[in-house]
Amino acid sequence: NAGVTQTPKFRILKIGQSMTLQCAQDMNHNYMYWYRQDPGMGLKLIYYSVGAGITDKGEVPNGYNVSRSTTEDFPLRLELAAPSQTSVYFCASRVEGGRGQPQHFGDGTRLSIL
Amino acid sequence: QKEVEQNSGPLSVPEGAIASLNCTYSDRVSQSFFWYRQYSGKSPELIMSIYSNGDKEDGRFTAQLNKASQYVSLLIRDSQPSDSATYLCAAYNNAGNMLTFGGGTRLMVKP
Repeated sequence: NAGVTQTPKFRILKIGQSMTLQCAQDMNHNYMYWYRQDPGMGLKLIYYSVGAGITDKGEVPNGYNVSRSTTEDFPLRLELAAPSQTSVYFCASRVEGGRGQPQHFGDGTRLSIL
Repeated sequence: QKEVEQNSGPLSVPEGAIASLNCTYSDRVSQSFFWYRQYSGKSPELIMSIYSNGDKEDGRFTAQLNKASQYVSLLIRDSQPSDSATYLCAAYNNAGNMLTFGGGTRLMVKP
C-alpha cells in the first residue's frame, strides 16, 4: 500500500497564481485532512472531510478551497497565492469510528510563494 | 489557555538518559492523545496513543496520562542521537473530528 500520497513535493508560485495540491489515499479511509505547518510551528488544520461530498473548515481556511468527489482523493486549491501561504502542507487520513483513531500523514508539499 | 500546549524546547539530554516530554491540555479536547515524532523536513510519524489514565509502554517509549492534572507525558528511555527530532502532542476535539496539535518540543540527544 502506498498510504497517503501527495503531489507535487515542491512548488514555487508567483503571487496571484493558482494551483491545486493533490492528495490521494489507498486505505479506504473516510476521514481526510489538510494541514499547514509554518517553520518552527505546529500543524494548523485548514479543511477536513468525513466522506465523499462532505467538507468542513478547520482553523485556518481563508484563501483555500477543497472538494471531495471520491473517497480516495482530497485536493486543496489555492486560488490567489499570497506570500503568507508559503508553508509546508500535509494531507492526512484516518479510519472512521471513535475518537481514538490516529491520523496517517503524507510526505508533504513544500510551497513557496514569491 | 490553548487546547494543547507544549514547551518548545530545545530539550537537551545526553545519550543513554531518559528524555521527558510534557504536554498540557484544556477541557476543549477529548481524552484521546497522540504523540508524533517529526524529523526535520519530514512528515509527522505516530509513536504512541493513549486514552486511559496511567502509563502505556511500547519499547523505549512510555506515554503517561493524568486526567486530574490535564497533562500527557512521553518518556524516552536510553535516548539515542537518532531520537533527536521534534515531538508533537495532539488530541481530538470533543466532537472527535478535528485533531489539535501542540507547537512541538524539539529534543536533542547529544552523543
